[in-house]
Amino acid sequence: DTEVTQTPKHLVMGMTNKKSLKCEQHMGHRAMYWYKQKAKKPPELMFVYSYEKLSINESVPSRFSPECPNSSLLNLHLHALQPEDSALYLCASSQDTPGQGWSPLHFGNGTRLTVT
Amino acid sequence: QKEVEQNSGPLSVPEGAIASLNCTYSDRGSQSFFWYRQYSGKSPELIMSIYSNGDKEDGRFTAQLNKASQYVSLLIRDSQPSDSATYLCAVIRMNRDDKIIFGKGTRLHILP
Repeated sequence: DTEVTQTPKHLVMGMTNKKSLKCEQHMGHRAMYWYKQKAKKPPELMFVYSYEKLSINESVPSRFSPECPNSSLLNLHLHALQPEDSALYLCASSQDTPGQGWSPLHFGNGTRLTVT
Repeated sequence: QKEVEQNSGPLSVPEGAIASLNCTYSDRGSQSFFWYRQYSGKSPELIMSIYSNGDKEDGRFTAQLNKASQYVSLLIRDSQPSDSATYLCAVIRMNRDDKIIFGKGTRLHILP
């Protein structure tokens, strides 16, 4: 079992819906990430939070809005998504930020999102 | 030149043989290297980390790093059908930004 917990496992939403993805880790990790992964592609970085502050936004459309309420929680708020946003959304954490040079990512099980 | 390159495969290996997966990277100052295994429809799972030149062994897995040649490899001994998955190489670059760069992954198929 992974130590990074994501909910829900599956989500189907219409283009006018608002929904949120949730991620939680209790390993004391200082960095948390959102990745998007399409079939047969590598994970694609969306956002990085370092010490609860947004450190990287990879030019992600504003219909995706991240939030880090505390050091253990990470949310991704979704609004007015498009069908092409359908993908596996992965949360990850690392003990230190990659800028420190050594911490690997630990992934959650992901949320399979389908936009209809 | 892509930052992290892997042969996409599929790489087919008979059961019981050694599977050899390779990864090259462009940033000579890269300092940390990881191998992830990803089963279809599942999330990536960290299987090896390596930080210095040479070999690092963990069970049936051996990671090899050669910084002078800018490549890192993963050997899987006594390959099992359960090793069939996509293997992702990931690298932390020297410029110390908050990114881990992934290769596109190599699909490995172990033939029973």
